[in-house]
Amino acid sequence: SYVLTQPPSASVAPGQTATITCGGNNIGSKSVHWYQQKPGQAPVLVVYADSDRPSGIPERFSGSNSGNTATLTISRVEAGDEADYYCHVWDNTSDHPVVFGGGTKLTVL
Amino acid sequence: QVQLQESGPGMVKPSETLSLTCTVSTDSISGYYWSWIRQPPGKGLEWIGYIYYSANPNYNPSYYSGSTNYNPSLKSRVTISIDTSKKQFSLKLNSVTAADTAVYYCASLDYRRYYFDFWGQGTLVTVSS
Repeated sequence: SYVLTQPPSASVAPGQTATITCGGNNIGSKSVHWYQQKPGQAPVLVVYADSDRPSGIPERFSGSNSGNTATLTISRVEAGDEADYYCHVWDNTSDHPVVFGGGTKLTVL
Repeated sequence: QVQLQESGPGMVKPSETLSLTCTVSTDSISGYYWSWIRQPPGKGLEWIGYIYYSANPNYNPSYYSGSTNYNPSLKSRVTISIDTSKKQFSLKLNSVTAADTAVYYCASLDYRRYYFDFWGQGTLVTVSS
């Protein structure tokens, strides 16, 4: 089945830009979605279809996808952005169509 | 706006069957992949499976009402069903072990863009004797 690879951790100072990557074979041909999960809470969709934002998600959250890497970018990071972030794709060629990355814990220094 | 709420026992004995229900608050449950996802303590998200329901087969002719798809690693032990009259869908996972201890989420998967747009709050199920 398709595999998504995320770095286990990332850190950023407040006000700076955080970049979280999600690697997969030719992931640029797939639609990538990103979720934010804070401790004790359910995941929340923050970016869908590579770069679109659901209503209510700040413009500081953006995404891109090309080649073998998709990227979630968080600009002007705030303390409240500290969370786990998961990428997700739908692999319609597989009997395991829902694939999550392993997650990246973002620490705001 | 869709709201989902999981319910079921918080503890299950090894070798027994884990049973959870998700109650959906929405005008219509037609046209979604109703899904179960779990997260072992301190670990990442694992997709369990989904059931697709459509009241109108012409809405998405590729699928028929009540079709299911399961994670191959769990397929032999999982059943997902739906009760449209109650707007509920259910998960049964049999022959559980300690490795099945996790927070179990129900969620809706948008059938057009294939992202999880709404999630339940999650319920912790512990497998222990």
